[in-house]
Amino acid sequence: GAGVSQTPSNKVTEKGKYVELRCDPISGHTALYWYRQSLGQGPEFLIYFQGTGAADDSGLPNDRFFAVRPEGSVSTLKIQRTERGDSAVYLCASSAQGQVNSPLHFGNGTRLTVT
Amino acid sequence: DQQVKQNSPSLSVQEGRISILNCDYTNSMFDYFLWYKKYPAEGPTFLISISSIKDKNEDGRFTVFLNKSAKHLSLHIVPSQPGDSAVYFCAALKAAGNKLTFGGGTRVLVKP
Repeated sequence: GAGVSQTPSNKVTEKGKYVELRCDPISGHTALYWYRQSLGQGPEFLIYFQGTGAADDSGLPNDRFFAVRPEGSVSTLKIQRTERGDSAVYLCASSAQGQVNSPLHFGNGTRLTVT
Repeated sequence: DQQVKQNSPSLSVQEGRISILNCDYTNSMFDYFLWYKKYPAEGPTFLISISSIKDKNEDGRFTVFLNKSAKHLSLHIVPSQPGDSAVYFCAALKAAGNKLTFGGGTRVLVKP
């Protein structure tokens, strides 16, 4: 079956611009996560959705970052006034239930480059 | 403050030999541990996990060992195959938690 799909796969934007990154989770997966991976580091947690609501957004670095999941399926990560330090691979993952019983399935990520 | 550390950024091993990847953690609230494997331009894929009530879990060529008192876990791959060449991430989860904390990764190269 289809895995987690992320679009675009690559995004280049200028400093100060607004970007949206999209994630299509595996059908039926209720939990959705966003992670950010900077060069040479492991993925860092950003936000977790259970259904439509953000159950934990403690990883969002500041108020320029926002994510939505209005119908409990597709999610969009929004970054305002982008900065060069936002350059990273943004990974989305989904799972059927809690992670202990259902490990995360990751998409291939969106590589964001802010020039 | 890195709560999960993989101190070896890279590892090179001959095909057929054992690969041993190490991971240390500092937070005693972690009670479930996972290893993920990542190929270039792809997302991480789940490999194997272990609960803190166990000290070993085996799945085919992959075995994870957990030493709770030392806050240390390791992943053994035997025998190593060229297709195992990838970056391996250790990750930890708190009880009833929902977010994984990842280590920085170890790049493994298996030479034919």
